[in-house]
Amino acid sequence: GDSVTQMEGPVTLSEEAFLTINCTYTATGYPSLFWYVQYPGEGLQLLLKATKADDKGSNKGFEATYRKETTSFHLEKGSVQVSDSAVYFCALSLSGGYQKVTFGTGTKLQVIP
Amino acid sequence: GAVVSQHPSWVICKSGTSVKIECRSLDFQATTMFWYRQFPKQSLMLMATSNEGSKATYEQGVEKDKFLINHASLTLSTLTVTSAHPEDSSFYICSVGRGEGNTIYFGEGSWLTVV
Repeated sequence: GDSVTQMEGPVTLSEEAFLTINCTYTATGYPSLFWYVQYPGEGLQLLLKATKADDKGSNKGFEATYRKETTSFHLEKGSVQVSDSAVYFCALSLSGGYQKVTFGTGTKLQVIP
Repeated sequence: GAVVSQHPSWVICKSGTSVKIECRSLDFQATTMFWYRQFPKQSLMLMATSNEGSKATYEQGVEKDKFLINHASLTLSTLTVTSAHPEDSSFYICSVGRGEGNTIYFGEGSWLTVV
């Protein structure tokens, strides 16, 4: 079945450090890939997405590139801020928004001043 | 502002009782909503698809008689955990698809603790 594997947290970084959260997937067909973020006390928010191979999703300084050859969708940010502290979920969906979403376990990021 | 509202955010109930969680789409109609749950250190897993005016579709392994889903209106779906047990303690979250790009919006989630 479809699955998403992402690095376990928590990840603790100092402000302005470089961030990478690894994510790999297995899927039948051609999935769309997503990163969701959950800030403390809030719901899941879509951070970025990519719908086909070699697409790069980007938002708020975060980037992730859909790598079909390595079945990966790693999240990166060049300089993290304290406000980026949250839980990040990698996810896939085979048919876009209305179909079910398969999530990774989530990675908690804590950025310290 | 929020697109989907979920209530309550936190609930503690006694073993054997039932608890209801609401998911509301704000300012738009949703014929389909999705319910997920997440156990500690595990992924968010789809439990069921809630269909307005008809029966919910449950994922394999999810007990439909235990997790009652009602989607009585185009803006409200409810999940009722019946005869709750401590092993039902989990994070429950709903989602709704909206718009031309089928963007998925999630509620705030509900933490259920059964004691």
